[in-house]
Amino acid sequence: QVQLIQSGAEVKKPGASVRVSCELSGYTLSQSPIHWVRQAPGKGLEWMGGFDPQDGDIVYTHNLQGRLIMTEDTSTDTAYMELSGLTSEDTAVYYCATDLGYSSPSGSYNYGLDVWGPGTSVTVSS
Amino acid sequence: DIQMTQSPSTLSASVGDRVTISCRASQNVDNWLAWYQQRPGRAPKLLIYKASSLESGVPSRVSGSGSGTEFTLTISSLQPDDFATYFCQQYNSFPWTFGQGTTVEVK
Repeated sequence: QVQLIQSGAEVKKPGASVRVSCELSGYTLSQSPIHWVRQAPGKGLEWMGGFDPQDGDIVYTHNLQGRLIMTEDTSTDTAYMELSGLTSEDTAVYYCATDLGYSSPSGSYNYGLDVWGPGTSVTVSS
Repeated sequence: DIQMTQSPSTLSASVGDRVTISCRASQNVDNWLAWYQQRPGRAPKLLIYKASSLESGVPSRVSGSGSGTEFTLTISSLQPDDFATYFCQQYNSFPWTFGQGTTVEVK
């Protein structure tokens, strides 16, 4: 069974950085790019970033560019999301997700995001 | 960026009701549209992909339709498990974007 296993909850001070990990179990990261989505308390879903096959690179949402870095370690099938310069506005649950129907040869997604991690709570507070 | 707008924001309904949620894209997304259900404290769950394809394991009372800029999620006969929040999402072009969500609550 394919699942995404995320690291535990974090509490950070304003200005700090946070790194969240996401391990893909039962599948191969190289065939199933990881996307990150966050949800502030009581709010909707915000797509943060993911692999764009046309660019051949990871694309980030505009309002997080410069503070967000997403990386992948294919040797351990683990993805990482690092967000710097934290403020209270970054308090949220951070989800990793993937599309198991992604086709590497054609560079096309199929399902959108069909497998999700359980989420990692990040609280930014002084 | 493509803006996704859902309506209504909140929907009050009873078990057995037929409910419809709309999602409008600010630009053409062809059929690259997904619907998700989210229960409190849980990760989103994929219901519909490519606008109208039912994800495996999702009950057949759930359906999706539309293409281009106008999309609809329909639940033909609402069940207790269906009281939740629903999000549409376009994956036609980057950055991917979500609608603001529609909460289906007990009437």
